[in-house]
This record gives sequence, structure tokens and C-alpha cells, in this order.
Amino acid sequence: AQTVTQSQPEMSVQEAETVTLSCTYDTSESNYYLFWYKQPPSRQMILVIRQEAYKQQNATENRFSVNFQKAAKSFSLKISDSQLGDTAMYFCAFMKPLNNAGNMLTFGGGTRLMVKP
Amino acid sequence: DAGITQSPRHKVTETGTPVTLRCHQTENHRYMYWYRQDPGHGLRLIHYSYGVKDTDKGEVSDGYSVSRSKTEDFLLTLESATSSQTSVYFCAIKVQRPSTDTQYFGPGTRLTVL
Repeated sequence: AQTVTQSQPEMSVQEAETVTLSCTYDTSESNYYLFWYKQPPSRQMILVIRQEAYKQQNATENRFSVNFQKAAKSFSLKISDSQLGDTAMYFCAFMKPLNNAGNMLTFGGGTRLMVKP
Repeated sequence: DAGITQSPRHKVTETGTPVTLRCHQTENHRYMYWYRQDPGHGLRLIHYSYGVKDTDKGEVSDGYSVSRSKTEDFLLTLESATSSQTSVYFCAIKVQRPSTDTQYFGPGTRLTVL
């Protein structure tokens, strides 16, 4: 079974600064995908960024980037130029294939990020 | 926005009563999922569907059943609700892309079982 661990329950950062959220995972799969989702107070789950395990290049989406270390099974999220709207819970997630070509997401416990003005 | 709605958005019910949550999508996606979210656990998969009348269990399926009689609707039923099923329930759909399949989520339903 896959496990996803986010070791930082809470973090804070000053507006305009950079913050890195950590995520480690454990799997015996060779092909998989990794995601970061954001959950603001509205409770909506919003996709932030995704990474294919077969790609060596780290994914980037505007101010968001990842540091994917496959051998170490580490997948951290860096948020640059933090904004007040980045305040949210952030979840790291691992995706593996299921029977019938479905996919199951396994989530970490989340990191609550507070951006301070 | 993946065109997913969930109803009801909030529900309070009593132990032992049946409850049905509805997920509706407008974009004809084949795969749909039900997750529950509890503090400290992130989201956990309850059941999923890979087509009309085709469903399978996830990791926390005990006490839940699902049905999918048409592509756009995926129903989650608690036959006899218990307090341990108090949670936030999310529906998701899978969007198939050339390099990565991605799941997008509905707005969630907060269920309280007294």
C-alpha cells in the first residue's frame, strides 16, 4: 500500500517570501503520478501542480514549482512570492492505477499554510 | 471548473437513518469517485465508478454503497448512518490527458450524523 507523509502540520510565511512544503511517499510502483492540491477555507479542492514520475524535469506552474527526488521518494512544493490568497491547506497526493483503468489518489494529512501580511 | 455539483451541500441526520448524496457532472466523463475527508487523514477513497452500472470499492467502503444509472450522476448511499460517518464528502471526476490523468473535485458535502 502507498503512504504519503506531510511532516509539517502548520507553516507560516510573510507575504512576498518563498516557502517550501515537504512531502514524502512510499511505494513499490515504478510508474505513478504526484499532485499538490490546495484547499482554501471555501473547502474546494483545487489542483496546484502535477508531476509524472517518469519525467526528470521538475514541474512548474507560475509561482509554484516542485522538487521531485524519485530515489528519495520526496516531492516538495515551493511557493514563490507568496500571496495572501495562498493561505490554505495543502495536500500532497500519490496516484496509482486501479483495476478497470481507474486511478486512486492517496493523500497526505495536509499542511496548513498561513501567509501573513 | 470541471462542471461538478454535489447535493446537498450540508446535511444533518440522525443515527440509523438512510442518506443519499448526489454527484452530478456535465462533461460526460467516464470515471467518477467518492472520497471522505476527516481531520488528519486527507481524503480517502470510498468507491469509484468506471462506467454506467460499473463500480468498485475503495479503501474505506464499509457502510457505503453507490449507484450509477446514467453517466452524469453518481450516488453515494449510507444505508444506516452512524456517527463515524460524520465527515466531508467529495466527489471527483477523472479527466484523461495525454500525459497524466487528473482528478478534479466537486465542492463537497458536509454530513453530520447525530
